[in-house]
Parts: sequence; structure tokens; C-alpha cells
Amino acid sequence: VLTQSPAILSLSPGERATLSCRASQSVNSNYIAWYQQKVGQAPRLLIYGASRRASGIPDRFSGSASETDFTLTISRLEPEDFAVYYCQDYGNSPMFIFGQGTELEI
Amino acid sequence: EVQLLESGGGLVQPGGSLRLSCEASGFSFDSYGLNWVRQAPGKGLEWISVITGNAKSVYYADSVEGRFTISRDNSKNTLYLHMNHLRPEDTALYFCAKELSSITRDTPFDSWGQGTRVTVSS
Repeated sequence: VLTQSPAILSLSPGERATLSCRASQSVNSNYIAWYQQKVGQAPRLLIYGASRRASGIPDRFSGSASETDFTLTISRLEPEDFAVYYCQDYGNSPMFIFGQGTELEI
Repeated sequence: EVQLLESGGGLVQPGGSLRLSCEASGFSFDSYGLNWVRQAPGKGLEWISVITGNAKSVYYADSVEGRFTISRDNSKNTLYLHMNHLRPEDTALYFCAKELSSITRDTPFDSWGQGTRVTVSS
């Protein structure tokens, strides 16, 4: 199980956002991804391998990992960053597990 | 450019059936695993099924095992999800999603369709 916190994060443009994803047991940090989903849109892959940015993702997005704690950081929030963010464990092939999401609101 | 286009959603009564399709373009279709992920209204993402590129292996979440069948036609670049014995809790937006890697099973999803909506209600 992946538990994301907080459920809702209220910040302003220009601020730094720190989103957490905690695994209920040790996971291979190589297999943690983060997705962004805006209202009415499909999810978009941001980070995989816990810290690798996907193609076209701005460098204000970064990921870090420890044994069971994973963090997505957005260094300076832009207006378009306000969305819901999901973490995913893709190291339990063939199963894929998503966290419940963090809503980043203005 | 990778494109995934789902279709086939709609309103169906409990116990009914539906077949979803996902037409793909812009990549070597038979090289990549493809997944179905759903999102109930106002809820998070739930992975429900995957099929490998060669269609030799399929897997399901417990919530749909025995009721849903994933398949693909590599000659048509199309992914399918056959849904039987539908329940109200299957109401969701259904996305198809392409895997990032064609080499390993441990891979995230780098491309998603816009989804097709399924409503199960009497």
C-alpha cells in the first residue's frame, strides 16, 4: 500500500511544494513513479526510478527516495502545476499500485 | 507522436457487458505492454489489467479477475477490454496506458489516452 500525504496541499505560485508517498513495506526505489493529473485530463508521467524526470518535464520537478519514503518536490510552483499528483509502485510486476493522490491547490 | 484513443464506453445495466477499444499509433505497437487503468468519479487511479506486447501474458487486479478480459490485435494496433458481469462499482473513466519500456516488465506508463466513460446503472 502507498499512502500519500497530505491529501490536500494549499500553496501559492512561487512557493515550494513537497509531496510525500510512504510505502507500507520496503520497496525498490528504482520502481517509484509520480504522475500529474489535471482536471479533465489523463495522467502524465513526471518522475520514474524515484528521481528520473520523464521526457519534457521541467527541472523544477524532482524526486527523492529512501527505503519506504518517497518525495516529489516542485521547487517553484507555476500556475499550471496545480493538479492532483499520484505516486506509483511499478516494481511489483505484474501488479501496479497507485497511491490515493495529493491535491495541490492554490 | 504516441496517440491512444479509447472508445466503447457507455451506460449499461448491472450484469451487462461492454467492450472497450483503444486504438494506438506512433510507436511499435507489438513491442510494448499495454494496460487498462480506471478512475471512479472523484476517486484515484486503479490499475486493472495488463497485456504484454506479444499477448502471451495477461494479468488482472482482483477486483476484475474472472469478469474482465484484456486482449489485443497487433495487426490493427488495437487494445481491448471485454467487461462482463458489470457492477455499479465498475462505473469509472477507463484509460489505456502504454508502458515506457519494451524490455522490462517493471516499467511506468509514459502515454495515456483520454479515457472512455463507463456507467453501470439500472
